[in-house]
Amino acid sequence: DAGVIQSPRHEVTEMGQEVTLRCKPISGHDYLFWYRQTMMRGLELLIYFNNNVPIDDSGMPEDRFSAKMPNASFSTLKIQPSEPRDSAVYFCASRMDAATDTQYFGPGTRLTVL
Amino acid sequence: QKEVEQDPGPLSVPEGAIVSLNCTYSNSAFQYFMWYRQYSRKGPELLMYTYSSGNKEDGRFTAQVDKSSKYISLFIRDSQPSDSATYLCAMSQYTDKLIFGTGTRLQVFP
Repeated sequence: DAGVIQSPRHEVTEMGQEVTLRCKPISGHDYLFWYRQTMMRGLELLIYFNNNVPIDDSGMPEDRFSAKMPNASFSTLKIQPSEPRDSAVYFCASRMDAATDTQYFGPGTRLTVL
Repeated sequence: QKEVEQDPGPLSVPEGAIVSLNCTYSNSAFQYFMWYRQYSRKGPELLMYTYSSGNKEDGRFTAQVDKSSKYISLFIRDSQPSDSATYLCAMSQYTDKLIFGTGTRLQVFP
């Protein structure tokens, strides 16, 4: 299995631009999580999906952030418009089902907003 | 005050040393406790998982949970240079919403 796949691995953009981060979870996993990691705040849960349905988006910082999961094998996290304070590493993770506890993380997308 | 507190380190130890990593938390409802290891420029990976209180051992790693003190620990015996990484504690009331510590950076030198 290829594990969780994220793209791009690095993104540099200018303030005000739209940014789209992509994630392919492990095949057969029912849960998908989006996290943001910064030095100051550590790893924070933004939103998670169960069977493609958003369950909890209370961690999404503001309306500039949105996430979708159109099917079981693909999810996007979009920031529009981006701001310098959005600079962070964004991780996607997937989990098999409610009976298992392990979340498998992707390699992350390092976002820099100038 | 953060729900989960973790000393950021860095912690530098010689090869073969016993390492102790710790987290404290404030939410008494937490019942799932995990330790993740994160190598530089990589995603975190689950290292140890404990439900409720008690100890769990896996090879050179031992996880301890003291719910009365709201304190969890990870011990690494006979530490190796390959153990050099950032260690994140994580905990939750239910397994879906993990709350992570900020991580402790560990360096094991030969």
